[in-house]
Amino acid sequence: GAVVSQHPSWVICKSGTSVKIECRSLDFQATTMFWYRQFPKQSLMLMATSNEGSKATYEQGVEKDKFLINHASLTLSTLTVTSAHPEDSSFYICSAMTANNEQFFGPGTRLTVL
Amino acid sequence: DQQVKQNSPSLSVQEGRISILNCDYTNSMFDYFLWYKKYPAEGPTFLISISSIKDKNEDGRFTVFLNKSAKHLSLHIVPSQPGDSAVYFCAASYTGGFKTIFGAGTRLFVKA
Repeated sequence: GAVVSQHPSWVICKSGTSVKIECRSLDFQATTMFWYRQFPKQSLMLMATSNEGSKATYEQGVEKDKFLINHASLTLSTLTVTSAHPEDSSFYICSAMTANNEQFFGPGTRLTVL
Repeated sequence: DQQVKQNSPSLSVQEGRISILNCDYTNSMFDYFLWYKKYPAEGPTFLISISSIKDKNEDGRFTVFLNKSAKHLSLHIVPSQPGDSAVYFCAASYTGGFKTIFGAGTRLFVKA
């Protein structure tokens, strides 16, 4: 299947700093990428839908100024957690959609905010 | 409002036996259902799917059954292997919709 990468795989940062997570589709172009968040022992929660060249669509309850999403190219979407706080610590997963509407997930990024 | 529910947070099965993971949904518009497998600290990987026009789809050791009238689907793994130990997510989407809605997941333990 198609390959989606995320970088970094884990990051530890101080409270108040910003963290950028990259999501790349390695062998296909993805006009649409999704960002999910997973809390311990909980389901994947869709945060936003990222469309190349346009503004992301955020799910209800997700602060767009807190979680900045940029989908600058057909193979790259970034999620920036601004002014991170301990409650933002989580496992963030992206997925990319192929032209056949198949969804492939990245390996995830573990964020720990101290 | 949980549109996709996996009511069993965990399941323990002996190696070689059948594992049955259940999933219920509430939105009658869903017409495509998927199962994903997830290991700790990794992203989910696609396992098997089923369209609402079918009631069964089989792929090797994995079979998904769909009961539309009951809004219920299940994943059967036969025979279960220790490597199957993971969290399994049920997911649903519908034609024209863009989002895939995930259940809370069921952690499967396969004992050797």
